[in-house]
Amino acid sequence: SQTIHQWPATLVQPVGSPLSLECTVEGTSNPNLYWYRQAAGRGLQLLFYSVGIGQISSEVPQNLSASRPQDRQFILSSKKLLLSDSGFYLCAWSMTALNGYTFGSGTRLTVV
Amino acid sequence: GEDVEQSLFLSVREGDSSVINCTYTDSSSTYLYWYKQEPGAGLQLLTYIFSNMDMKQDQRLTVLLNKKDKHLSLRIADTQTGDSAIYFCASTWGNQFYFGTGTSLTVIP
Repeated sequence: SQTIHQWPATLVQPVGSPLSLECTVEGTSNPNLYWYRQAAGRGLQLLFYSVGIGQISSEVPQNLSASRPQDRQFILSSKKLLLSDSGFYLCAWSMTALNGYTFGSGTRLTVV
Repeated sequence: GEDVEQSLFLSVREGDSSVINCTYTDSSSTYLYWYKQEPGAGLQLLTYIFSNMDMKQDQRLTVLLNKKDKHLSLRIADTQTGDSAIYFCASTWGNQFYFGTGTSLTVIP
């Protein structure tokens, strides 16, 4: 069966520090991978999606970047965090529209 | 892209039915989904409906789709306190899924 792992679950980082959030998927090949952010009291904002290794599409220009060094690994990064980067980050994967998305458990990032 | 809209809040009494509504803009969406997010957790797929269906029922959940009006609803029968969560509707457009803002459902004992 397919599983998705996202870590860490919580993170407190100072302004200006770097960020690396990792997401891995098991049990499937060549999934579509996504990073979403959920700011407090708001809906989901698509940040990045990837349809294959090294292929990254950005939805919103921002302080963040994403990389997909391996088929089932998706990394969200920042060189210098801003206060406005605080939020709940969710990784997701999908294969077909019929299956919908499967989400990771999320990372709560607080930038202080 | 796609715009998906939902009302932000809904309160119901335990045992009553809840109806969460969603509108979308892209008539070419193939599937439409409902997700549930419990506090501090990821999103869990509850159910989905294919765009050529009008209704889908799954135990306490009933999904209604009005494709002409681009309106999707989720009805939860006999709502329980464990149903308190944020509910997101989502539609597909190409490789992407577009989510509504989420409706926070509060169930009052």
